[in-house]
Amino acid sequence: EIEMTQSPVTLSVSPGERATLSCRASQSVSSNLAWYQQKPGQAPRLLIYGASTRATGIPARFSGSGSGTEFTLTINSLRSEDFAVYYCQQYNRWPPLFTFGPGTKVDIK
Amino acid sequence: QLQLQESGPGLVKPSETLSLTCTFSGASISSSSYYWGWIRQPPGKGLEWIGNVYYSGSTYYNPSLKSRVTISLDTSRNEFSLNLTSVTAADTAVYYCARVDYGVNWYFDLWGRGTLVIVSS
Repeated sequence: EIEMTQSPVTLSVSPGERATLSCRASQSVSSNLAWYQQKPGQAPRLLIYGASTRATGIPARFSGSGSGTEFTLTINSLRSEDFAVYYCQQYNRWPPLFTFGPGTKVDIK
Repeated sequence: QLQLQESGPGLVKPSETLSLTCTFSGASISSSSYYWGWIRQPPGKGLEWIGNVYYSGSTYYNPSLKSRVTISLDTSRNEFSLNLTSVTAADTAVYYCARVDYGVNWYFDLWGRGTLVIVSS
């Protein structure tokens, strides 16, 4: 079973700055990785899939990179609405099994 | 507008079966382009994938829950359901239903708002 880790647990960033979030898989997942944003009391929202493709309607300040076991979500010029918890999620092609990372909380510095 | 809406009891007794339904509106659940899934989130914790179902009825479950989970689809009602047997307090969580876009990539692109289920006597 593939395990996902995320770092840091909490990231304190000032508005307007850049946030860099990391996600690591215990074995290669190729580019089979997605990122989600979750705000308190809300369902998660898809940000990135295929490691680097932005979902529909997601601003360009969100970008994803990486492949294999190391992935990064970068948020440029943080805005107040970006403070949230971010989860990575890997998927096995076949059988289709999914694993989420434990999350990184981005809060206001 | 496409929407998913979870429904079901908010309180379940230990050892009983948790049953939830997710109703899809705005399109047909019979599309061959998607799977349909359940994800849960214990209070203050992270997300855990439970399982997926395809319009054909094929299912795939989290190995850690497989012995207790059944997910089924009712195309006539445009809904899919989750049954989780022999629940304990550890099953207390917000349960989300979601649509799975698949192909080159697999991801949850549409989510319900979630429903809190508490397991307690």
